[in-house]
Amino acid sequence: DGGITQSPKYLFRKEGQNVTLSCEQNLNHDAMYWYRQDPGQGLRLIYYSQIVNDFQKGDIAEGYSVSREKKESFPLTVTSAQKNPTAFYLCASSMLRNTGELFFGEGSRLTVL
Amino acid sequence: GQQLNQSPQSMFIQEGEDVSMNCTSSSIFNTWLWYKQDPGEGPVLLIALYKAGELTSNGRLTAQFGITRKDSFLNISASIPSDVGIYFCAGSAGSSNTGKLIFGQGTTLQVKP
Repeated sequence: DGGITQSPKYLFRKEGQNVTLSCEQNLNHDAMYWYRQDPGQGLRLIYYSQIVNDFQKGDIAEGYSVSREKKESFPLTVTSAQKNPTAFYLCASSMLRNTGELFFGEGSRLTVL
Repeated sequence: GQQLNQSPQSMFIQEGEDVSMNCTSSSIFNTWLWYKQDPGEGPVLLIALYKAGELTSNGRLTAQFGITRKDSFLNISASIPSDVGIYFCAGSAGSSNTGKLIFGQGTTLQVKP
């Protein structure tokens, strides 16, 4: 079945550690996105990529990094520079001609201890 | 930057009742979308609107793209328990293939059987 897979679903991290969240899609979508969700807030865009080996910062990119070495994969690293990393992280993908119609993964919940 | 105001923030209704929620923007959008998020999951697209004045239905759901292009509403008729979740509006000011989406804060819906 086609879809978008995030892992891990739950992750605990100590302060000062980097952590990488995985996102893989087999929908043959060109565009991929990372959003952050905090309680009572909408989704905020961290990074997005419309083509392999290229990506752009979203609204809250500070403290995060991404790579897009393959069309199917768009991992997100939460670095120790991110001041408040505890959140629910959502990866999404879309066709280039219709970038509003996002397909989301099930999310990864990161908790910093 | 652009902001979306979504209301109400939460609703608690009886099964069988109709529901209405809306989003307003401080600036013009070219695309409006409505997503639903079940607890612990990623959002799923319900309805996409691409033309001012457009009224679109998806089963018991009806959404409209406001004529001013600064607002949209979503109606759910005859609510059922599985309608429970968080509903997000999202808008894009770009064309369909450049779209950075802006998300509203969400409307949490609870349905009493």
